[in-house]
Amino acid sequence: TQLLEQSPQFLSIQEGENLTVYCNSSSVFSSLQWYRQEPGEGPVLLVTVVTGGEVKKLKRLTFQFGDARKDSSLHITAAQPGDTGLYLCAGLPSGNTPLVFGKGTRLSVIA
Amino acid sequence: NAGVTQTPKFRVLKTGQSMTLLCAQDMNHEYMYWYRQDPGMGLRLIHYSVGEGTTAKGEVPDGYNVSRLKKQNFLLGLESAAPSQTSVYFCASRMTGSSYTFGSGTRLTVV
Repeated sequence: TQLLEQSPQFLSIQEGENLTVYCNSSSVFSSLQWYRQEPGEGPVLLVTVVTGGEVKKLKRLTFQFGDARKDSSLHITAAQPGDTGLYLCAGLPSGNTPLVFGKGTRLSVIA
Repeated sequence: NAGVTQTPKFRVLKTGQSMTLLCAQDMNHEYMYWYRQDPGMGLRLIHYSVGEGTTAKGEVPDGYNVSRLKKQNFLLGLESAAPSQTSVYFCASRMTGSSYTFGSGTRLTVV
């Protein structure tokens, strides 16, 4: 079973601070996805990264896929209270095999 | 609105009772999945289906059964509920090469 280790598990920061969430594995993934989940709702896709070394930006969020396609990071610049939620990374081992999820990072941004 | 619909949203069961969770999608997706989400454990795959009439075991299949008699529906059954099955259950679907669309979850408590 391929595992994704996500860190930190919890993060509480002040509005305006920057933060980085990490997702690491010893296995190679064909692609990696980041989801955000609000209380009482299912996860919603933020981004998919496919190519080793790829960097994608979504407003204040920057996603990076490691060169070896074994790790990824999510960086948030100038965090806002609206960024509060559970962030999940998920890796696609290959083809049509199911996604493997990390355990999530619960982010709290305090105004 | 197109998407994934889960019913019921909440349920309380007594130990030993049985129930069926229904997942319905109207996007003509081929693949459907059942996950459970527990605090600090992320999303763990229970069973999945790659098409009508097919099912396969995921990471934590014991105590659950599934059926995919119609393409749009994926049923998750608990034959004899146990307190360890207290969790939030999420259904997801996707087409080949696309991202997952999740339902809003079923919160199940077994007492």
